Amino acid sequence: EVQLLESGGGLVQPGGSLRLSCATSGFTFSSYALSWVRQAPGKGLEWVSGFPSRSGNTFYAASVKGRFTISRDISINTLYLQMNSLRDDDTAVYYCTKGLNSGSSSQIFDSWGQGTLVTVSS
Amino acid sequence: EIVMTQSPATLSVSPGERATLSCRASQSVSSNLAWYQQKPGQPPRLLFHGASTRATGIAARFSGSGSGTEFTLTISSLQSEDFAVYYCQQYNNWPATFGGGTKVEIK
Repeated sequence: EVQLLESGGGLVQPGGSLRLSCATSGFTFSSYALSWVRQAPGKGLEWVSGFPSRSGNTFYAASVKGRFTISRDISINTLYLQMNSLRDDDTAVYYCTKGLNSGSSSQIFDSWGQGTLVTVSS
Repeated sequence: EIVMTQSPATLSVSPGERATLSCRASQSVSSNLAWYQQKPGQPPRLLFHGASTRATGIAARFSGSGSGTEFTLTISSLQSEDFAVYYCQQYNNWPATFGGGTKVEIK
């Protein structure tokens, strides 16, 4: 069974930093596209950042580029999101997601974690 | 970036009735379109990919159609568990982009 478990959310002041983690199990971690998707309170979904499968290339939404860094530790099947220079509009539930097909870079998100809430406020 | 537009924003439907949700892309995404269902306090759940390919475990009363820029999600006979928010998402280009959602509520 595929499992994605996010942690690391919390309350942080504007300009501060947080690191989110996503511990995974039940699939071959390095063979699937992995992404972070966020949802502001009462709003829709926004893709934030991702690894397109086996490639080590990383991609970012324009809204977070230069402030957020995605990384992964294949030895422990864990995905990370380092968030710096946080702003009020980064407040959201952050979901860790897995792509549908092994070896594919397509962003069909077939598995989602329960999410971790990040609140940016003074 | 491809912009996805969903309509209507809210759809009021009685149980047992048919619901039709629309999604439009700002440029062609071929059939690289997914639909998700989200209930309060839960993460989204994949319903369809490839515009019309049902994900594992999705009931047959759900159907997806369309290609290019126009897509439709149909629920043939609404059950109580279907009242939720539905999102479309294109994955033809990176980054993936989502529509704003359609809330299906009880009439």
